[in-house]
Amino acid sequence: EPEVTQTPSHQVTQMGQEVILRCVPISNHLYFYWYRQILGQKVEFLVSFYNNEISEKSEIFDDQFSVERPDGSNFTLKIRSTKLEDSAMYFCASRAGTQYFGPGTRLTVL
Amino acid sequence: AQTVTQSQPEMSVQEAETVTLSCTYDTSESDYYLFWYKQPPSRQMILVIRQEAYKQQNATENRFSVNFQKAAKSFSLKISDSQLGDAAMYFCAYRLINTGTASKLTFGTGTRLQVTL
Repeated sequence: EPEVTQTPSHQVTQMGQEVILRCVPISNHLYFYWYRQILGQKVEFLVSFYNNEISEKSEIFDDQFSVERPDGSNFTLKIRSTKLEDSAMYFCASRAGTQYFGPGTRLTVL
Repeated sequence: AQTVTQSQPEMSVQEAETVTLSCTYDTSESDYYLFWYKQPPSRQMILVIRQEAYKQQNATENRFSVNFQKAAKSFSLKISDSQLGDAAMYFCAYRLINTGTASKLTFGTGTRLQVTL
């Protein structure tokens, strides 16, 4: 069964460093998403991407964040200068109808 | 703006028993989807069940079923014959049906389900 994959599973970085989180959505899906979940809290929407552009973004998704679909398979989330409060689980999702989530990347900012 | 409320932070059920998790939502739209996602300790988000708002019939998926009350904006999840593997965080979620745009999921705060022997 096709699935969304994410790499790395765990990323540790120093405050102020740039990180790139990678996702490979399900191949025939057209809509892509990033969500984050701070430990013990609910899952929050960050950004959606459709037709090679951002469809919607939340107030969390400020200028430090960017997304890209550099080729036909990958979908990336970049955080330019990480802060302590960016520590969270980051989920990629894709959909044709129902959204399917990847296993997540645990980002730890020290 | 759409909101999803889960008023039970924690629930407990004995193995083989039935448990119902509650969810209410607020929307002014008429066409939408509702979902229950399960998040085990691995923190993977796993789809449990989906309900289309235009369908009157409640969705069922093996031991999982929903009670969808559109007028009351209520969407509860019933787990029958509970198993130890059902222990997880359960999130209720809402998504607008909006073709042509990438409609986001809005999640509730979750209910942690414990399953005891």
